[in-house]
Amino acid sequence: GAVVSQHPSWVICKSGTSVKIECRSLDFQATTMFWYRQFPKQSLMLMATSNEGSKATYEQGVEKDKFLINHASLTLSTLTVTSAHPEDSSFYICSAPGLYGHGYTFGSGTRLTVV
Amino acid sequence: KQEVTQIPAALSVPEGENLVLNCSFTDSAIYNLQWFRQDPGKGLTSLLLIQSSQREQTSGRLNASLDKSSGRSTLYIAASQPGDSATYLCAVSYQAGTALIFGKGTTLSVSS
Repeated sequence: GAVVSQHPSWVICKSGTSVKIECRSLDFQATTMFWYRQFPKQSLMLMATSNEGSKATYEQGVEKDKFLINHASLTLSTLTVTSAHPEDSSFYICSAPGLYGHGYTFGSGTRLTVV
Repeated sequence: KQEVTQIPAALSVPEGENLVLNCSFTDSAIYNLQWFRQDPGKGLTSLLLIQSSQREQTSGRLNASLDKSSGRSTLYIAASQPGDSATYLCAVSYQAGTALIFGKGTTLSVSS
């Protein structure tokens, strides 16, 4: 079935630095990738939608200059958290829609801790 | 506003018990509904997908039903096991290829 590989699974970075998270579709072409964020004991909240070859669409309240999304190919979408701060510490996870009848496929998630 | 609500937020049961998790959505015009399992600190595992034209789906000890008109879905877990302990998330989409909207989940604890 469709597999999305997400790396890294966890990362600790210093405040002010940038962190890049990658999501690769391994056995299918993902023209669209959704990026979610999950704070402790909260549900997944959509941050942005990336589309191959075009600019990402950000949800209200999400800073596009802080969370840079690139979807340069049909198999790779990246999220870069720039100038990270402790309040950016969260669980980030990507997802690609499947073909009809196959639902959505999720990456394994990235636990970001900013110290 | 399109919202998904899950009740209860947490549930503790002894091993072997049958249980029902509830999910409701404010806009009934869904495209599909998907149930996921999330273990602590981990990603999501898809359990069942129900298309808007379907009434239920089954996989092993899991059965999910969908009542679009009332905006509800239930996940039935038969003969619960300690390994079923996890957070169960319900999510809906309203168009093909659009993002899922998630509920806050039900955290299940099954004791042996």
